[in-house]
Amino acid sequence: DAGVIQSPRHEVTEMGQEVTLRCKPISGHNSLFWYRQTMMRGLELLIYFNNNVPIDDSGMPEDRFSAKMPNASFSTLKIQPSEPRDSAVYFCASSDDSRGYEQFFGPGTRLTVL
Amino acid sequence: AQSVTQLGSHVSVSEGALVLLRCNYSSSVPPYLFWYVQYPNQGLQLLLKYTTGATLVKGINGFEAEFKKSETSFHLTKPSAHMSDAAEYFCAVKAGRRALTFGSGTRLQVQP
Repeated sequence: DAGVIQSPRHEVTEMGQEVTLRCKPISGHNSLFWYRQTMMRGLELLIYFNNNVPIDDSGMPEDRFSAKMPNASFSTLKIQPSEPRDSAVYFCASSDDSRGYEQFFGPGTRLTVL
Repeated sequence: AQSVTQLGSHVSVSEGALVLLRCNYSSSVPPYLFWYVQYPNQGLQLLLKYTTGATLVKGINGFEAEFKKSETSFHLTKPSAHMSDAAEYFCAVKAGRRALTFGSGTRLQVQP
């Protein structure tokens, strides 16, 4: 298996622009997670889906952030409009809950908002 | 509720010395416990996990951890540190239906 795939790996954008991050989970996994990692706040869970349904979005910072999972093999995290404080590394992870909840992480997207 | 506390945001050891990274958890139900490692510019990868059964868990790269319910701890150890062990280590807990809760991480430095 190719593992969790994220794109793009790097994104540089200007304040006010829309940013879309993409994730393809491991085939057969039923849960998907979006995290944000910064030096100041560490690793934060933004939202997670189970069987394509959002279960907990309490970590989404504000209405500028939205996430979708239209099918079992694809998810997006969108920021509109982006702000400099959104600069971070965003990770997607997936898990198969029938096999012990271990999360497999993607390589991350490094977002820089100027 | 569930939470994780990692004692020491930075730990420095000499090459060949014992590695001990501390993790204490809080959970109202029997937990699943995990240790992850993150190398620079990479995602997190699983080192080891405890679900049920044997309380001493062995993982990759010579690491192991022991689940101690009475102490609510899941400390990570390795008998002899190698330069390649330099990374950030995260402890995580899952209890009930909630997603994993990660600790704040411990950065391990290995001195030659």
